[in-house]
Amino acid sequence: SSELTQDPAVSVALGQTVRITCQGDSLRNYYASWYQQKPGQAPILVIYGHNNRPSGIPDRFSGSSSGNTASLTISGAQAEDEADYYCHSRDSSGNHVVFGGGTQLTVL
Amino acid sequence: QVQLQESGPGLVKPSQTLSLTCTVSGGSISSGRYYWSWIRQHPGKGLEWIGYIYYNGSTYYNPSLKSRVAISVDTSKSHFSLELSSVTAADTAVFYCARGYTVVQYWYFDVWGRGTLVAVSS
Repeated sequence: SSELTQDPAVSVALGQTVRITCQGDSLRNYYASWYQQKPGQAPILVIYGHNNRPSGIPDRFSGSSSGNTASLTISGAQAEDEADYYCHSRDSSGNHVVFGGGTQLTVL
Repeated sequence: QVQLQESGPGLVKPSQTLSLTCTVSGGSISSGRYYWSWIRQHPGKGLEWIGYIYYNGSTYYNPSLKSRVAISVDTSKSHFSLELSSVTAADTAVFYCARGYTVVQYWYFDVWGRGTLVAVSS
C-alpha cells in the first residue's frame, strides 16, 4: 500500500478546472511533485516544490499544499491533458520516496 | 540536455537475477546534485520506487525490495545499474531509470528514460 493516497479517477469538462489531490502524513513536512503519464510513455514532471513548473509545462498546471494534502490544479483542461497523474514525495521516515497510486484524468 | 537510456534483457527466467543498465548522456553522472534512480511499473499499475544511488555509491532502497535489490554506479562508463535477484512473475514490469534531485523539503525526478519492459517467464 502507498503512503500517498490519490483518487483513482477524476473527470473534467473541456476547458474547465480540475483539482487532483494527494494525501499523506509526510506531506505535512515535504512538498509533493507531480508527474503526467500518457499511455505507453514515460512519466514527465509537471510540478515540483512550492508550485514550480519545469520548462515547457503550460502555466495552466499549478500546485498547492495544505496540511496533509497536496493538490495539482489544471485550469482550463485541454484534451491533451488526459493522462494518469502521480504524486510523489518523501515517505514518513524522510529517507525514502514514495508515489501515490495515481489518478486517471478524463477530459470530457 | 541530459538523456537516460535503459538497456538489458527483456526476458528473465524465474529465480534468476534481473540486470539492467542506465546510460547517462549529455551530462555528468558524477554531479553531486543528483540521485540516480530506478522505478518500475507493473502492467496497468502505478509507479513503484525501487531505489537510488548517489554518485559516491551511497544507496537507498525501497524497504519492500531491499533484500533483493542492488544498485551500483560506474562513473567511468557514465552508467548505473540495477540487479534484482530471485525474480518471479510478479516482477514483470516496465523499468525506468530517472534522475532525482532533492533539497530539504522536496524531491523530484526531472529526467526519465523511456523505460524497458522486462518479463519474467520460463
